[in-house]
Amino acid sequence: AQTVTQSQPEMSVQEAETVTLSCTYDTSESDYYLFWYKQPPSRQMILVIRQEAYKQQNATENRFSVNFQKAAKSFSLKISDSQLGDAAMYFCAYRGNAGGTSYGKLTFGQGTILTVHP
Amino acid sequence: ETGVTQTPRHLVMGMTNKKSLKCEQHLGHNAMYWYKQSAKKPLELMFVYNFKEQTENNSVPSRFSPECPNSSHLFLHLHTLQPEDSALYLCASSQEVWGYEQYFGPGTRLTVT
Repeated sequence: AQTVTQSQPEMSVQEAETVTLSCTYDTSESDYYLFWYKQPPSRQMILVIRQEAYKQQNATENRFSVNFQKAAKSFSLKISDSQLGDAAMYFCAYRGNAGGTSYGKLTFGQGTILTVHP
Repeated sequence: ETGVTQTPRHLVMGMTNKKSLKCEQHLGHNAMYWYKQSAKKPLELMFVYNFKEQTENNSVPSRFSPECPNSSHLFLHLHTLQPEDSALYLCASSQEVWGYEQYFGPGTRLTVT
C-alpha cells in the first residue's frame, strides 16, 4: 500500500521569506500524481499544485513550486515570498494512476501546520 | 469557495443521538466522497459514490450510514456514535470517480459527548 509521510508537524516563516515543506512517499507504482493541498483555518481545503510522475519538470504555480525527486520518492513544496494568507495546514497527497485497487484514491500525509509571522 | 457546501459546520451530539450531515455540490460532478479528518492523522476515506451508487466503503462501522439521493447531494447519517468518532468530516466531489482533482467542502466539526 502507498504511504505518504510529512515529517514536519509544524513550520514557521517570516513574511516575504521562503519556506520548504517536506514530503516523502512510498509506492511500487510508476504512474501516479502527487498533490499539495492547503487547508486554511476553518476554511475549505484547496489544491495548491500537482505533479505528474512522468514529467521530469517540476511544477510551478506562481509563488508555489515543487522539488520532485522520483528516485528518492520525495516531493517538497517551496513557498516563495510568503504571505500572511499562506498560513494553513498543508497536506501532501498521492494518487495512483495505474489501475488496481489503489487507482485514483488519494492517500494523504499527516499535514504540516505553517505559521507566517509578520 | 470550491462549490461544495456542508451543513452543519459544527455539531455536538450525545452517544445516543441520531443526526445527519449534509453535503451539496454545485459543480455538476458525478462522484462524491466522505472523508474523516482526525487530529494528527491523515485524512481517511470513508465512502465513495459514483452516479448515486456506492462504489467504496472503506470498512466504516455501521453507525455511519451514507445516503446519496442524487449526484449533487450526499448525506452521512450518524447513530450511536462513540467519543472517538469526534473529528472533522469532509465531503468532496470530482467530475468522475477518482477524478483528476477533488473539490472539498469546509467540513463539519463533530463532537461526540
